[in-house]
Amino acid sequence: GQQLNQSPQSMFIQEGEDVSMNCTSSSIFNTWLWYKQDPGEGPVLLIALYKAGELTSNGRLTAQFGITRKDSFLNISASIPSDVGIYFCAGHSGGGADGLTFGKGTHLIIQP
Amino acid sequence: NAGVTQTPKFRILKIGQSMTLQCTQDMNHNYMYWYRQDPGMGLKLIYYSVGAGITDKGEVPNGYNVSRSTTEDFPLRLELAAPSQTSVYFCASARDTSYGYTFGSGTRLTVV
Repeated sequence: GQQLNQSPQSMFIQEGEDVSMNCTSSSIFNTWLWYKQDPGEGPVLLIALYKAGELTSNGRLTAQFGITRKDSFLNISASIPSDVGIYFCAGHSGGGADGLTFGKGTHLIIQP
Repeated sequence: NAGVTQTPKFRILKIGQSMTLQCTQDMNHNYMYWYRQDPGMGLKLIYYSVGAGITDKGEVPNGYNVSRSTTEDFPLRLELAAPSQTSVYFCASARDTSYGYTFGSGTRLTVV
């Protein structure tokens, strides 16, 4: 099946730093989504992207749908302690109802 | 608005036992999904449903069964539990295949 390569696998940053993570795919997606998962909870949708080149913000979060349709990135500006968690990218090719393809996640850790 | 509700939150099973993981949603979504999450592996699709009475296999269906008798409920059945089924299970629902999913808070299952 389709696979997404998400990087980095983990990030150790200081509070206040900016964060950048990305996902790449060998195949084209029509939809890119970014989720955040807090410990003991299910993933929660942060940003959805539906058009190549689209740049969308949600507060301190900004995500872009790559022009090639094979990649997406997520930036977090001025990180705060509550940003800690696992961030997942997900893509949908639009070819069927068989669900999103998820990346393996980026574990964000903020050091005091 | 409850969203997607999963029960139980935790369960320990002995090898060979069976159990049903419950999932219900109150958003009148047609699409429902079961994923399993293993450390560092992201989310893998087990089964999905596009509406009441219709189910289909995902990427890792072996050892599991599902049914969808109503729009609201999508239970996942484990017939003969094996240690390889130790995981965190997430149910999700969606209005449309390419829109963001709403996830439940998960069921953490340990098979010993």
